[in-house]
Amino acid sequence: AQSVTQLGSHVSVSEGALVLLRCNYSSSVPPYLFWYVQYPNQGLQLLLKYTSAATLVKGINDFEAEFKKSETSFHLTKPSAHMSDAAEYFCAVPVEYGNKLVFGAGTILRVKS
Amino acid sequence: DADVTQTPRNRITKTGKRIMLECSQTKGHDRMYWYRQDPGLGLRLIYYSFDVKDINKGEISDGYSVSRQAQAKFSLSLESAIPNQTALYFCATSDGADRGGEQYFGPGTRLTVT
Repeated sequence: AQSVTQLGSHVSVSEGALVLLRCNYSSSVPPYLFWYVQYPNQGLQLLLKYTSAATLVKGINDFEAEFKKSETSFHLTKPSAHMSDAAEYFCAVPVEYGNKLVFGAGTILRVKS
Repeated sequence: DADVTQTPRNRITKTGKRIMLECSQTKGHDRMYWYRQDPGLGLRLIYYSFDVKDINKGEISDGYSVSRQAQAKFSLSLESAIPNQTALYFCATSDGADRGGEQYFGPGTRLTVT
């Protein structure tokens, strides 16, 4: 069954620094992968999704992720962190029929001033 | 107005009580989902519904039941709440895309069972 693993439950960066949040998927190649973000006291919203059309995916707020089959990874990056990026980030993969999502455990991003 | 709303936003209840969490959506989507979020575990699927007559168990359905009253409404019930059901609960909707569709989440209900 498809699954995703997020390495690092907490990541702390300084404002202006590179953000790197890690996600690895299970060995069978998924047709889709998602990154969602949860800001404090809010629901999740879609940051970006991989749909096999391109390996480098750009999302909202200057986030992007690169699908690497050789590494079974779909890491999320942002060149320069902003205080407003502080949130919890989830990698997810749809499984079976019906767009049911399996989520990683989440990574809490802290941005220091 | 928000596309996916949940009521209540916060609830404290006692062990053994019955409680219902409600979800409404204005997106016109047929598919609706209930997830629970626990720290360090991400979100896990409780139940999902493809339309009013199609309801399915998810990964962790024990202790929960659901009702799809209309296309726009999907309720989650805890028949006899227990402390380990303390969690953040999210409702979500999606369009008809089989796997690539975006899911739209409500703001969540924080449930505490004492």
